[in-house]
Amino acid sequence: DADVTQTPRNRITKTGKRIMLECSQTKGHDRMYWYRQDPGLGLRLIYYSFDVKDINKGEISDGYSVSRQAQAKFSLSLESAIPNQTALYFCATSDPRAAGANVLTFGAGSRLTVL
Amino acid sequence: TQLLEQSPQFLSIQEGENLTVYCNSSSVFSSLQWYRQEPGEGPVLLVTVVTGGEVKKLKRLTFQFGDARKDSSLHITAAQPGDTGLYLCAGLRGAAGNKLTFGGGTRVLVKP
Repeated sequence: DADVTQTPRNRITKTGKRIMLECSQTKGHDRMYWYRQDPGLGLRLIYYSFDVKDINKGEISDGYSVSRQAQAKFSLSLESAIPNQTALYFCATSDPRAAGANVLTFGAGSRLTVL
Repeated sequence: TQLLEQSPQFLSIQEGENLTVYCNSSSVFSSLQWYRQEPGEGPVLLVTVVTGGEVKKLKRLTFQFGDARKDSSLHITAAQPGDTGLYLCAGLRGAAGNKLTFGGGTRVLVKP
């Protein structure tokens, strides 16, 4: 099994629908992140959480919300999806105690298309 | 304008040729990471460089961190089709609360 699992892997939805992307990890890392990837723009941080009680906005949080249900689970919600939220979404984890602190372990991505 | 600019955005070469990807910024980073991403997968870490002027080698890949810690390069010698992918640099700035800032990526295609 993958260290970081994202579901669904692909989703097509319509404008105005509520969408939830889920992420679970088996690495035991405290830190979890949601990124969005668009061609030519690299990865942009949406939200991050350094522990279960900690939620922080990233650089592009508008239109998104998150929930850290447990150390291993971090979900991303689009309350009312719009077409410019069409993108590839990645969940990632990191271990601040490790020698390679801030090195990210990524899931395989969730491709979201909003029509 | 992105904090980290990668160039070129796309590179297509023949197997056996060399290539260099650049990652530039006007900001100083405490460390810089390089990731490779293949279709349908998430980025995977290749290397972290932390010291200005540092050079790290990973088989045919050579990574360099600029003396001023504002730029980095990735050089691939005798590229192979397996090197095909999206290469991303990511910089860590202490004042940013230990969050990474990613460049826009360089898509590399190595033709057999």
